[in-house]
Amino acid sequence: DSGVTQTPKHLITATGQRVTLRCSPRSGDLSVYWYQQSLDQGLQFLIQYYNGEERAKGNILERFSAQQFPDLHSELNLSSLELGDSALYFCASSVSGGNYGYTFGSGTRLTVV
Amino acid sequence: DQQVKQNSPSLSVQEGRISILNCDYTNSMFDYFLWYKKYPAEGPTFLISISSIKDKNEDGRFTVFLNKSAKHLSLHIVPSQPGDSAVYFCAAADTGTASKLTFGTGTRLQVTL
Repeated sequence: DSGVTQTPKHLITATGQRVTLRCSPRSGDLSVYWYQQSLDQGLQFLIQYYNGEERAKGNILERFSAQQFPDLHSELNLSSLELGDSALYFCASSVSGGNYGYTFGSGTRLTVV
Repeated sequence: DQQVKQNSPSLSVQEGRISILNCDYTNSMFDYFLWYKKYPAEGPTFLISISSIKDKNEDGRFTVFLNKSAKHLSLHIVPSQPGDSAVYFCAAADTGTASKLTFGTGTRLQVTL
């Protein structure tokens, strides 16, 4: 157990639907990162939050949004889902924004049918 | 635009031999590099890192070499063990601007008996 908890582990949904992925960071970590891993691709950076505020944004689609709550857990919302959104979504946390030794969760596998 | 490239999708090495995993980057602003290891159904775990002020960093059986002029880094595992079989991701960061990591597409290492 890495200390980063992601739920659910698996999600199957239909095109056009909306889903929410949840991440609880490791205790003491203030920074949360979301990454997407599509088939045979590397981990693509989506967005980072630090202590409740958005810190950096990657190639995140407008249909996707995220937030970090006061208790530091984070949610990634994916809407108007398309087949191409099927992927593994990883959450990672670190103590601060400048700490690169991320701790990753085990991911949420999203399948859009 | 893939700024971090791992051109070998897979590598097979005999137990006891050296495994060499390679990574190239294009962004000259990257100044911190990491290797992550990923087992199936788990998130990536941090393995070893190197700052651009160094050209080598060792941690037990794992050594990372950095050649800044060639924009190339490599991970050496000696001796390789069956438990090292996993996907290895190279990652890079520009510590001056943002804390997000840019990942390569990964190399699947199989250590055979």
